[in-house]
Amino acid sequence: QSALTQPASVSGSPGQSITIFCTGTSSDVGGYDYVTWYQQHPGKAPKLMIFDVSDRPSGVSPRFSGSKSGTTASLTISGLQAEDEGDYYCCSFTNNATLVFGGGTKLTVL
Amino acid sequence: EVQLVDSGGGLVRPGGSLRLSCAASGFTFSTALMTWVRQAPGKGLEWVGRIKSKSDGETTDYAAPVKGRFTISRDDSKNTVYLEMSSLKTEDTAVYYCATGDDMGFWGQGTLVTVSS
Repeated sequence: QSALTQPASVSGSPGQSITIFCTGTSSDVGGYDYVTWYQQHPGKAPKLMIFDVSDRPSGVSPRFSGSKSGTTASLTISGLQAEDEGDYYCCSFTNNATLVFGGGTKLTVL
Repeated sequence: EVQLVDSGGGLVRPGGSLRLSCAASGFTFSTALMTWVRQAPGKGLEWVGRIKSKSDGETTDYAAPVKGRFTISRDDSKNTVYLEMSSLKTEDTAVYYCATGDDMGFWGQGTLVTVSS
């Protein structure tokens, strides 16, 4: 199972909105409404930000939102803040009953 | 409060074996699906495998690179999930995390496994 495709990096200024795309295939992203997104700060464990494509766990800011169209999922962060800087990973269920991550995207807040 | 504590990492020679543990608290462990994820130094996250609850048959699934070499098990009496790794390769060097559920809602702090001669 090949990794999902994410841009290596994105950047934005405080207050702006950015979107990170995660592209898969019909065997993963396109076939299941089971996409999750994680935020990871250096030296720390990942943190779940979005599950089931667009749901937010309790405690996650509403500035984070997720969606999906066909074989591409996306994570949008509105009102960028300095604390949003870090690495973001998407993940999808697959038709092999396994999970597959994206390669990760480094978000820089300018 | 959900807490996961990963342990058991260390330095091991290629071809060697190691067992990692993940001690859980703060939730009903016996009904939880548990997942292992790894992250090589400077690299991204990689799903390793999962184990379902006893009521779901304790079914396990593995990623292709570790299938046949890694085994996930659980001891509900100790609220602990294990990752038994054998025939280790240098490319297995990574921080290994356990997490709750397929959505990986909660994570352990990770334990570093270094495979080197």
